[in-house]
Amino acid sequence: DAKTTQPTSMDCAEGRAANLPCNHSTISGNEYVYWYRQIHSQGPQYIIHGLKNNETNEMASLIITEDRKSSTLILPHATLRDTAVYYCIVRVSNFGNEKLTFGTGTRLTIIP
Amino acid sequence: DGGITQSPKYLFRKEGQNVTLSCEQNLNHDAMYWYRQDPGQGLRLIYYSQIVNDFQKGDIAEGYSVSREKKESFPLTVTSAQKNPTAFYLCASSISRTTNTEAFFGQGTRLTVV
Repeated sequence: DAKTTQPTSMDCAEGRAANLPCNHSTISGNEYVYWYRQIHSQGPQYIIHGLKNNETNEMASLIITEDRKSSTLILPHATLRDTAVYYCIVRVSNFGNEKLTFGTGTRLTIIP
Repeated sequence: DGGITQSPKYLFRKEGQNVTLSCEQNLNHDAMYWYRQDPGQGLRLIYYSQIVNDFQKGDIAEGYSVSREKKESFPLTVTSAQKNPTAFYLCASSISRTTNTEAFFGQGTRLTVV
């Protein structure tokens, strides 16, 4: 699986949009971008994933650049409950050969 | 409600003792995983299983053992051979027979060896 690079930490004001970047310059054509988050002392929670088109769900939006070498996770109206570590993962999802590799992620702190 | 359950949430053991962590899911998922997380670090894969009665070593399998006798259950045993067992252990499951599926995680077990 391709490696990812994320900033170690970020702050965002409550109510503003939080934009979390991720670089994955060695991503292959069949690798997807996944985002998870982990609130302190809990299990990670799936947020969103995509291949090359931008994606949106009830939690967030995912913007993937045209060359697919980077992406941005957007939390449109951040709340204090969005304080967590956010992980960007790129992986191939093959039949019978699926696993996840988590790095250290970005620690997002929402400021009141 | 469907989900993945780990128990207990906190576990204390004396050094040299084996200990088994429980992981149960009622999501009908084929694949299950065990991860270890140390303070300030990401998750590292210990073992994973794609189907009942089959499992593979992950990146840090030494000192651990697993079994997959039932689809719903994937217990992890931390043996006395594991040199630094104190950590936060996370179990996950996913549908492995289709593509683009996310993993569902349990709430974790914090193991402390004294």
